[in-house]
Amino acid sequence: GDSVTQMEGPVTLSEEAFLTINCTYTATGYPSLFWYVQYPGEGLQLLLKATKADDKGSNKGFEATYRKETTSFHLEKGSVQVSDSAVYFCALKEGAQKLVFGQGTRLTINP
Amino acid sequence: KAGVTQTPRYLIKTRGQQVTLSCSPISGHRSVSWYQQTPGQGLQFLFEYFSETQRNKGNFPGRFSGRQFSNSRSEMNVSTLELGDSALYLCASSQGQVFDEQFFGPGTRLTVL
Repeated sequence: GDSVTQMEGPVTLSEEAFLTINCTYTATGYPSLFWYVQYPGEGLQLLLKATKADDKGSNKGFEATYRKETTSFHLEKGSVQVSDSAVYFCALKEGAQKLVFGQGTRLTINP
Repeated sequence: KAGVTQTPRYLIKTRGQQVTLSCSPISGHRSVSWYQQTPGQGLQFLFEYFSETQRNKGNFPGRFSGRQFSNSRSEMNVSTLELGDSALYLCASSQGQVFDEQFFGPGTRLTVL
């Protein structure tokens, strides 16, 4: 079945550092890909998405490109802030309203 | 526009009891999906309801059930609670089409003692 594998955490960076969180997927068809963020005590918020190969999703300085040849959707940000500290989830959706999530990566940014 | 609301936010139950959780979707959304989040298993899909019909189902035992009302509000029920059912239960609503975004509620934290 479909699955998502993302970079193990936790990840700790200093403010203004470059961020990469790796995400690869396995799917039988052509899924849509997502990054969600979860702040403490809250639900999930959609950070960005891409619906087809070579699409680039971007939001709040974060970017991810749908790479079909490497089945990847890595999350990047050029300069992180303390407020980016959260848990990040990579996910895919293929047809149905059913998201398949990776295990999550906890990100801590130190000032 | 109000977001997805879930009630209650916190619940404590004992083994063997049953529990009902509620989710009110964003106005106009017809699809409601439920997910279970645990430290061990991560986020797992439970089921999705669309226009009062279960449209998709995950790999959970029959103790987990749900329903959706004509106003799109949804409830999920867990019977004969087990310790392993302790989790954050999230619901998400969308308009229900393939490329529609799912909007998540804050979740209900269930603790089974």
